[in-house]
Amino acid sequence: DAGVIQSPRHEVTEMGQEVTLRCKPISGHDYLFWYRQTMMRGLELLIYFNNNVPIDDSGMPEDRFSAKMPNASFSTLKIQPSEPRDSAVYFCASRYREYGYTFGSGTRLTVV
Amino acid sequence: AQKITQTQPGMFVQEKEAVTLDCTYDTSDQSYGLFWYKQPSSGEMIFLIYQGSYDEQNATEGRYSLNFQKARKSANLVISASQLGDSAMYFCAMREGYTGTASKLTFGTGTRLQVML
Repeated sequence: DAGVIQSPRHEVTEMGQEVTLRCKPISGHDYLFWYRQTMMRGLELLIYFNNNVPIDDSGMPEDRFSAKMPNASFSTLKIQPSEPRDSAVYFCASRYREYGYTFGSGTRLTVV
Repeated sequence: AQKITQTQPGMFVQEKEAVTLDCTYDTSDQSYGLFWYKQPSSGEMIFLIYQGSYDEQNATEGRYSLNFQKARKSANLVISASQLGDSAMYFCAMREGYTGTASKLTFGTGTRLQVML
């Protein structure tokens, strides 16, 4: 079991550029979550999917953010255009059963 | 109202001593789950322990135990025999309900634990 795999681990981009974060959940997990962690706001849920279908995207900060899950083994979080305030660590997590939440290693995004 | 409250921003403990990290929660659901995660300086989120609202026994996982007091709505993490490697940020989290839209985890603000020689 390779765990939840996120890429890239680090991303530095210029303001206004498009950024795509990637996540491969654990095989067999039917829920996928995207979280953002900042010093000011802590860990906040952005969006989550159940069986590839978005269930709750109320945490997506604005239209610049979008997330997709085209199949059970892949999800993306896209920011277009990126802004300095989007700088954060973005975590992907997947879940099997009501107690089995596993987090990826995170992507540290810096927008300059 | 905060769903998860961790009132200790930072804690210090002597190596080999036990330490309790506090967590209180707020929910009107009868079915919920409580979690503790560890985040070392390397940044990953490591699952430590889980307690279901219907579990009568306190959860234990090695040196970690969860002191679950349902009436008080508290779910404190107890780490016994602290080790230097326990120095990290610790987050309490809650899943309200069972499935469907109630599947997300809500996190507290965390407690930074420093283990001293």
